[in-house]
Amino acid sequence: QQPVQSPQAVILREGEDAVINCSSSKALYSVHWYRQKHGEAPVFLMILLKGGEQKGHEKISASFNEKKQQSSLYLTASQLSYSGTYFCGTATSGTYKYIFGTGTRLKVLA
Amino acid sequence: GAGVSQSPSNKVTEKGKDVELRCDPISGHTALYWYRQSLGQGLEFLIYFQGNSAPDKSGLPSDRFSAERTGGSVSTLTIQRTQQEDSAVYLCASMGGGNTIYFGEGSWLTVV
Repeated sequence: QQPVQSPQAVILREGEDAVINCSSSKALYSVHWYRQKHGEAPVFLMILLKGGEQKGHEKISASFNEKKQQSSLYLTASQLSYSGTYFCGTATSGTYKYIFGTGTRLKVLA
Repeated sequence: GAGVSQSPSNKVTEKGKDVELRCDPISGHTALYWYRQSLGQGLEFLIYFQGNSAPDKSGLPSDRFSAERTGGSVSTLTIQRTQQEDSAVYLCASMGGGNTIYFGEGSWLTVV
């Protein structure tokens, strides 16, 4: 039931791009993306609802393909501040019970 | 308060003792969640409260774990007869009409 994220970890140089994927075995209604820095609480990035929309937040955007039960987070021109662990949180139709993915550790080097 | 408040922020307890962790959600938020995060691991779902509905307890790992939410606001997570494997950060979160989940800073539990 827990969404699977890939890759598990990624190391980037400043300015490089990355894609983080989130796959579920269940039909999804909505997907949340969060970033957690070491020793801190997860912080909300964006939400995507059923409809295949793509949303953007500065140089971070995401897409949601409900047919494939997948969401992807796109990080472009990465900055040092992007380092952290990224989690997707998914909910199925009719519920706001959010189950979080396995996490992707991202480290951006200068 | 402005955010989700949790207490205690740190708790060290002896194996076999009971602990209570408190969560004060954002005012007006009807949904409240408890998650557990072991060192370097992901967010493990424990329990979910939504308004006056019966809570979804499907993530509680054993009958030593229980949670309640009084008056649709404050929630308490209780762990009885703590074990060393219970050591983790326990994160509380709440969600209102905006569909955004806000997390508290967590309660760091260490069982010795």
